Amino acid sequence: GDSVTQMEGPVTLSEEAFLTINCTYTATGYPSLFWYVQYPGEGLQLLLKATKADDKGSNKGFEATYRKETTSFHLEKGSVQVSDSAVYFCALTQAAGNKLTFGGGTRVLVKP
Amino acid sequence: DAGVIQSPRHEVTEMGQEVTLRCKPISGHNSLFWYRQTMMRGLELLIYFNNNVPIDDSGMPEDRFSAKMPNASFSTLKIQPSEPRDSAVYFCASSPLAGGRETQYFGPGTRLLVL
Repeated sequence: GDSVTQMEGPVTLSEEAFLTINCTYTATGYPSLFWYVQYPGEGLQLLLKATKADDKGSNKGFEATYRKETTSFHLEKGSVQVSDSAVYFCALTQAAGNKLTFGGGTRVLVKP
Repeated sequence: DAGVIQSPRHEVTEMGQEVTLRCKPISGHNSLFWYRQTMMRGLELLIYFNNNVPIDDSGMPEDRFSAKMPNASFSTLKIQPSEPRDSAVYFCASSPLAGGRETQYFGPGTRLLVL
């Protein structure tokens, strides 16, 4: 079956540091790929997505590129802020359905 | 625009009691999902509906759990009887039904504590 693997946290950074969270997937066909973010005490919300190979999703300074050759969708941000402290989830869906398969989540803590 | 609405936001109950969690999806969305989140198991999909019909309930832990969607604007997740290991945050999410490219919109969650 489909699966998503992302790096375990917590990831602790200083403000303005560069953030990378690795995400790789196993899936048949051509899934759509997502990054969701969960701020403390809240539900998940979409951060960005990409629906086909080589697409780049971007939002709030975050970027991720759909790499089919390496089955990866790594999340990056050039300069993090304290407000980026959250749990980040990589996920995929198959074109034939809309069931999300989530990775385990990566907690990011940004210190002033 | 109202997002996904869940109630109650917090629930504390005693083992053996019945618990009912409620969800109102975003108007016009015809897929609805119930998730459970715990520290130990992470985020788990319990069940999802398309057009009010349950499509996949393979994530429902056991017969104590049941979910219904009587109409397009309301769904319930019931636990009867509840057990301490059911303590978790339960999320409802909704999305348009369209080819796997649509975003799921999550509610704020119900934090359940079973004593």
